[in-house]
Amino acid sequence: EDKVVQSPLSLVVHEGDTVTLNCSYEVTNFRSLLWYKQEKKAPTFLFMLTSSGIEKKSGRLSSILDKKELFSILNITATQTGDSAVYLCAKETSGSRLTFGEGTQLTVNP
Amino acid sequence: SAVISQKPSRDICQRGTSLTIQCQVDSQVTMMFWYRQQPGQSLTLIATANQGSEATYESGFVIDKFPISRPNLTFSTLTVSNMSPEDSSIYLCSVEDQTGVHFGPGTRLTVT
Repeated sequence: EDKVVQSPLSLVVHEGDTVTLNCSYEVTNFRSLLWYKQEKKAPTFLFMLTSSGIEKKSGRLSSILDKKELFSILNITATQTGDSAVYLCAKETSGSRLTFGEGTQLTVNP
Repeated sequence: SAVISQKPSRDICQRGTSLTIQCQVDSQVTMMFWYRQQPGQSLTLIATANQGSEATYESGFVIDKFPISRPNLTFSTLTVSNMSPEDSSIYLCSVEDQTGVHFGPGTRLTVT
């Protein structure tokens, strides 16, 4: 079964805090691990990770993949209220099919 | 990255009717995908739309309920047939390009 587990399911922080979101997956047919931010309807693409140990960065967001331990983390530093959203991770398997985790609801309070 | 548009953005439909959702991409792509997000849940893949061949459906989804067309490399439609309130969801199309897998803006469907 293609299972993706995210933790925590929800998180409330204050502006300026740093957060770490976790994603674990099963190894079957793994092709890549993707992170998305979802605020209203459409998930917005953040990162695609295929190689272990190589950090990807975009502004205050960064992510890394550990293919030995089968997990990925998404870090957000100096959080802002605009970071409040559901963060989804997804495992890509053959045929570019995505299996999503439940998501982490992040709330950043001023 | 690919720019994806969907129509309609939202609709309210009566049970028993059908709705066709359109997805347009600004570049040619080999595969397009249709996902569903039921209220309070994560995204689930419905099917892969292949140009020139029948769509490939995931377990739990059937062609009679969700017929898909893929007439060319930039366009696809998903029809939700004989709707019931359980079909109330956000429906999203997605494509993969060199940068990753991207989603359209979604169609919010409410079935009454």
